[in-house]
Amino acid sequence: GAVVSQHPSWVICKSGTSVKIECRSLDFQATTMFWYRQFPKQSLMLMATSNEGSKATYEQGVEKDKFLINHASLTLSTLTVTSAHPEDSSFYICSATRQALQETQYFGPGTRLLVL
Amino acid sequence: AQKITQTQPGMFVQEKEAVTLDCTYDTSDPSYGLFWYKQPSSGEMIFLIYQGSYDQQNATEGRYSLNFQKARKSANLVISASQLGDSAMYFCAMREGNNFNKFYFGSGTKLNVKP
Repeated sequence: GAVVSQHPSWVICKSGTSVKIECRSLDFQATTMFWYRQFPKQSLMLMATSNEGSKATYEQGVEKDKFLINHASLTLSTLTVTSAHPEDSSFYICSATRQALQETQYFGPGTRLLVL
Repeated sequence: AQKITQTQPGMFVQEKEAVTLDCTYDTSDPSYGLFWYKQPSSGEMIFLIYQGSYDQQNATEGRYSLNFQKARKSANLVISASQLGDSAMYFCAMREGNNFNKFYFGSGTKLNVKP
């Protein structure tokens, strides 16, 4: 299957700082990338969908100014958690896919964020 | 209504036995795709198997097979000859033909394989 990298895998930061997470599709051009958040023992919660070259589409209840998403190319999307607070601590997962029904999502390994 | 329902929060199976993880879905779109993913404790999401709504045969991938019952809107995952490494969370997901920009996930099933 296709490979999606995500960096960093772990980040610990102080409250009030911003954190950037990168998601790269290494061996295919992803027309669409998704950003998810996952709490322990729960399912994935979709935060936003980003298509290359256009603004991200955020799910209801997700603050656009808090979680900035940029999808600058077909292989790179970034999520920036601005002015992070302890309640933003979570596991963030990105995925990449192509625009076809049978295309699966290829997931990054995830980023564990801890805000102190 | 929930798009994807997984009614088994947790399952136990003896090593080398088969296990079925349930998944039902809800859609009015005649064109859709169903996916199963495995998430070990490390957190990575691993794609297992895909079934298209127009596929005539049940999908199989090694020890994984999908029991697709279209009229009942169910897409159960069958794992044969369970191994200790199969212990993980399993998620069922759906993608609809009228919107490729969304995957709907179930709440997951935690599978524990006993030695």
